[in-house]
Amino acid sequence: DTAVSQTPKYLVTQMGNDKSIKCEQNLGHDTMYWYKQDSKKFLKIMFSYNNKELIINETVPNRFSPKSPDKAHLNLHINSLELGDSAVYFCASSNVGQSLFLSSYEQYFGPGTRLTVT
Amino acid sequence: KQEVTQIPAALSVPEGENLVLNCSFTDSAIYNLQWFRQDPGKGLTSLLLIQSSQREQTSGRLNASLDKSSGRSTLYIAASQPGDSATYLCAVGTGANNLFFGTGTRLTVIP
Repeated sequence: DTAVSQTPKYLVTQMGNDKSIKCEQNLGHDTMYWYKQDSKKFLKIMFSYNNKELIINETVPNRFSPKSPDKAHLNLHINSLELGDSAVYFCASSNVGQSLFLSSYEQYFGPGTRLTVT
Repeated sequence: KQEVTQIPAALSVPEGENLVLNCSFTDSAIYNLQWFRQDPGKGLTSLLLIQSSQREQTSGRLNASLDKSSGRSTLYIAASQPGDSATYLCAVGTGANNLFFGTGTRLTVIP
């Protein structure tokens, strides 16, 4: 019954490796997001996808790439992992509707994936 | 660029007390404002969403207000309980449904 789910919950890996985090939502939402929460607990948006189109891309290194096989999934791929990538990554979803700029819908968050790069 | 600030950073209150958490934002051109709760090591739980055209929203013991012109929102928690202990995050929604988060207020309710 989980609305927004992420796997894995914990991910420990070495520098230079490539890894993926998966996200699925069963709410029928049309927009999904990835957020990063750093060691100071500050949350910042990384990407959002609406109908398979990237609509936000903040100042995120191109080693990070979101991939959305369908409306219910938005996976995060990270290449050549660095120590500074260690953080908790949250997936979220919302229903934006036809007009992005009239959006006023609630975002629902997944439980997070704690990534540790050694 | 939108900046969101939450004061205080941490708050301890005895059980049963009413309390107010504050959130301020620099750009009043917002679409909505959302209050979340985050428990240690857990994800975010949405508490209340206020649309830009609204002044307040209520859910149970929680009441959130929004004053867009002054760039402020408050979250009022009535009759606090130990189970309310968590970090409370304020997030401002801008164009394209982007959310800018505050740094959070860590609340401890002492039994």
